[in-house]
Amino acid sequence: SQELEQSPQSLIVQEGKNLTINCTSSKTLYGLYWYKQKYGEGLIFLMMLQKGGEEKSHEKITAKLDEKKQQSSLHITASQPSHAGIYLCGAAISSGSARQLTFGSGTQLTVLP
Amino acid sequence: ETGVTQTPRHLVMGMTNKKSLKCEQHLGHNAMYWYKQSAKKPLELMFVYSLEERVENNSVPSRFSPECPNSSHLFLHLHTLQPEDSALYLCASSQGSYRVNEQYFGPGTRLTVT
Repeated sequence: SQELEQSPQSLIVQEGKNLTINCTSSKTLYGLYWYKQKYGEGLIFLMMLQKGGEEKSHEKITAKLDEKKQQSSLHITASQPSHAGIYLCGAAISSGSARQLTFGSGTQLTVLP
Repeated sequence: ETGVTQTPRHLVMGMTNKKSLKCEQHLGHNAMYWYKQSAKKPLELMFVYSLEERVENNSVPSRFSPECPNSSHLFLHLHTLQPEDSALYLCASSQGSYRVNEQYFGPGTRLTVT
């Protein structure tokens, strides 16, 4: 099994609907990073969470970190076609160094107009 | 986004060829990275170069050889690759610390080994 599990693997929603993506670690999280990727392109940094209970928002995207559960969630409110892409979580769990991130397999999000 | 550039964007090479991937960051960052992204596999860290750390993933074959001549440039030298090395190779840079580190990625080089 992977050290960082993302769920669901893929998600298809109607425009305007809310959605949540989860990222669960099998080890202690030393920081959790969310990225978005368009297919075949580079990753775009979204948010970083460091402390248990921390919550950050940017436009319609909110991310939370539950350190005790070793889990983070990414919530998109009123989804738009521009939100479509692959969402990846990355965390420093192997060495504790934030320069050695382990990534989940990603969640493929499709937003239907 | 032109903060991190990668060339070439696409590369097709035979198993006996030698080629190099280039990455350049224009962000003044102090660390650079190579990642491999294969189909249906998580993004895999290959190498890290920074003043405090130089990390080489032990699972990366020796046919991949990194070079970091300065803080703005990173190369990945390729030789005698295998078809399973076909993947998207991503470069990233960051200006962070051991604990806090936002990485900024380039657009990637799509490598196909024939």
